[in-house]
This record gives sequence, structure tokens and C-alpha cells, in this order.
Amino acid sequence: AQSVAQPEDQVNVAEGNPLTVKCTYSVSGNPYLFWYVQYPNRGLQFLLKYITGDNLVKGSYGFEAEFNKSQTSFHLKKPSALVSDSALYFCAVYSYNFNKFYFGSGTKLNVKP
Amino acid sequence: EAQVTQNPRYLITVTGKKLTVTCSQNMNHEYMSWYRQDPGLGLRQIYYSMNVEVTDKGDVPEGYKVSRKEKRNFPLILESPSPNQTSLYFCASRSGGLQETQYFGPGTRLLVL
Repeated sequence: AQSVAQPEDQVNVAEGNPLTVKCTYSVSGNPYLFWYVQYPNRGLQFLLKYITGDNLVKGSYGFEAEFNKSQTSFHLKKPSALVSDSALYFCAVYSYNFNKFYFGSGTKLNVKP
Repeated sequence: EAQVTQNPRYLITVTGKKLTVTCSQNMNHEYMSWYRQDPGLGLRQIYYSMNVEVTDKGDVPEGYKVSRKEKRNFPLILESPSPNQTSLYFCASRSGGLQETQYFGPGTRLLVL
């Protein structure tokens, strides 16, 4: 079965510290990987994606993510967290074989001043 | 401005009373989808459409209908809503290219009493 796992319901970091939000997946075929952010009462906003090429991809708002094929992971990272980064983050995988997106359950990021 | 719009944004209804949530996109996208978001479950796809008059079931289609008579519109119909359909609903669209990301609407929060 196709699935995306975000093992942490919540991640707490202090402002200025690095942050990591984890994502692992199980999807047949070559995956296309995405991260989205959701602020309260808003729809999902695209952050970044990995299709092919460099394993480290850079996206909006200083975020980046590293694709690791052997570990089937696509962790989201930022070198220095901001309070305004506090939001709900979703990892998503597009399966070419099934022509659909699979979403993780979401990770709430809390950045404290 | 490129966007996906949904209406209404908030809706309270009673069991069995038919309702429609509209979705419209102005990007000439071929693909459109409906998702529901529930705590701890992330986003689950209800239905999707690959083009006009082409729709297919997602992971949780029971109790829902859709139609795609025009490229820009993709309404979600609940013929006889039940309390277990209380959720946050998102419409999304993307172009046909595999490298394209999805664009999400602002969401519709539905409460079925």
C-alpha cells in the first residue's frame, strides 16, 4: 500500500535554532515529493518539491529538504527557525503509477521566541 | 491572480439535507481534486478529475458525488450528508505535467448535525 509517514505530530524548537520535520514514504515507482505548509484558516501552500536531480532542494521562506532514496525519506529543514514558521506542515508524494497524491498526517511546528 | 476558490467557506447543515460545495480555478488546469482533512489523518482524496467529463474515485468517495462539466469548475455534492462527513474540505488543481504542483483552495469547514 502507498503511504506517507510523518512520525512526529508536533515539533518544538526555539527561534534561531535549526529545525527538522521528518517524512518517510512507501510508494512504488519513482516518487515525486512535496512539502506544503498550512497556516490557521488557510489552504495548503506549496513550499518545495523534488522531482529529479540534486538530492537537496531549496524552497520558499528559507526551507530546504533532502531526498534520501535508500532511506525513502524527504525531511524538511531550515537552518534558523522563525516564530512565523509556526504552522502545520504536510509531506506529500505523487505516485506516477497511481496518478495520485498521498499526504502524511501533518506535523505541527511550534517555534518559541 | 492565479487561484482556486471555494464556496461556502463555512457551512452548518443537518443530516440528510443535500448540499453542494463549489470549486473554481482560473489557471486552465486539467486536473482537479477534492480532499478532506481530519485530525491525525492528513488529507485524503475524495474524487479527482483529469479533464472535462472525466472523474474517478479517490480513497474515500462514499457519500460524495462530483461533476466536471466545465474545465474551471469541479463541485462536490453531498446528496445526504451525515455527521461523519463533518470535516475540512479542500479543492485543488494542477496542470497535466507531472512536475507541476497542486494549488489549493482556502478550504470549506462543514459541520453536519
